[in-house]
Amino acid sequence: GQQVMQIPQYQHVQEGEDFTTYCNSSTTLSNIQWYKQRPGGHPVFLIQLVKSGEVKKQKRLTFQFGEAKKNSSLHITATQTTDVGTYFCAGMTSGTYKYIFGTGTRLKVLA
Amino acid sequence: NAGVMQNPRHLVRRRGQEARLRCSPMKGHSHVYWYRQLPEEGLKFMVYLQKENIIDESGMPKERFSAEFPKEGPSILRIQQVVRGDSAAYFCASSGWDRSTDTQYFGPGTRLTVL
Repeated sequence: GQQVMQIPQYQHVQEGEDFTTYCNSSTTLSNIQWYKQRPGGHPVFLIQLVKSGEVKKQKRLTFQFGEAKKNSSLHITATQTTDVGTYFCAGMTSGTYKYIFGTGTRLKVLA
Repeated sequence: NAGVMQNPRHLVRRRGQEARLRCSPMKGHSHVYWYRQLPEEGLKFMVYLQKENIIDESGMPKERFSAEFPKEGPSILRIQQVVRGDSAAYFCASSGWDRSTDTQYFGPGTRLTVL
């Protein structure tokens, strides 16, 4: 079945350093979404990417969808303590109606 | 998103009891998804429903688990004869009419503990 893997599983950074998480799907995706979940909280939608090679920016966050639509990345520039949480990608395969969530990357930011 | 309501927020059950989890989607949303999250793990898709229809239940165990989304009222995830392995956070999410592109808005979750 479809699998979505994320690396790294954990990342500790000093405040001000950059951070990147990578998402890889075993199948071609029709679109991909990114979510952030704070400890004890629920997933909060960040962005959706649909087009091959698409790049979107939200302030310090940059999201990219691979040309083959099988991988994606989230890059945070100059991390802040408020960026702490687990970042999940979620991919949908054409012809299905469900999103398969990645394994998540847990980010800790040291002040 | 605060618009998706789940209750109860915390539920404690003894082995063998039934757990009933409720989800009220955002106003105007007709698609509901249920996910299970074990501690320190990602979200696992369980079931996708529209009003009065189960569209995809491929992620839901065949036994003891059932889900419904009636014409009126919230979506219900029912777990019969709970076991310790059912302890997890159960999230529901809702989306609008275009299931392929619409954002999923998650509820706050129900934390189920089975003693």
